[in-house]
Amino acid sequence: EPEVTQTPSHQVTQMGQEVILRCVPISNHLYFYWYRQILGQKVEFLVSFYNNEISEKSEIFDDQFSVERPDGSNFTLKIRSTKLEDSAMYFCASLGDPSTDTQYFGPGTRLTVL
Amino acid sequence: AQSVTQLGSHVSVSEGALVLLRCNYSSSVPPYLFWYVQYPNQGLQLLLKYTSAATLVKGINGFEAEFKKSETSFHLTKPSAHMSDAAEYFCAVSGSGGYNKLIFGAGTRLAVHP
Repeated sequence: EPEVTQTPSHQVTQMGQEVILRCVPISNHLYFYWYRQILGQKVEFLVSFYNNEISEKSEIFDDQFSVERPDGSNFTLKIRSTKLEDSAMYFCASLGDPSTDTQYFGPGTRLTVL
Repeated sequence: AQSVTQLGSHVSVSEGALVLLRCNYSSSVPPYLFWYVQYPNQGLQLLLKYTSAATLVKGINGFEAEFKKSETSFHLTKPSAHMSDAAEYFCAVSGSGGYNKLIFGAGTRLAVHP
């Protein structure tokens, strides 16, 4: 069964460093998403992406964040200058046919900012 | 605006007992409702979804949920708990159309004891 994959599974970085989290959505899916889950808190929407542009973003998704689909398979989330509070699990999701209404989630990348 | 409230951050049941996880939603548009399960160190897996068809929705692993508009609820049930059901369960809402962002509840951690 097709699945969303994410790399790395765990990323440790120093405050102020740039990180890039990578996702490979299910092939032929057209809608892509990033969510995050701070330890012990709820899963929060960050951004949605369709047709090579951001369709919606949350208040969390400020100028420090960016997303990109650099080729036909990868979908990346970049944090330019990480803060301690960026430590969280980041989930990528993708959706194919909107009529199916199902976003498929990857296993997540745990980001630890020291 | 949309929101989800999950009553009970922790629920503990005996193996073979009824599982009832509560979810109430708020939505200004006809909602799409979802239950996702997260096993330890894994991503989010869709259990079931309501998308304005039948109000009683059956999902995987013997779970089902009933959409009650009058009560703005979408509670998750399973007649007989199994040890393997121990996990965290998230209720989520989105606007009509699967491409919309998911708004998650805080989650309910289900423990199943012998």
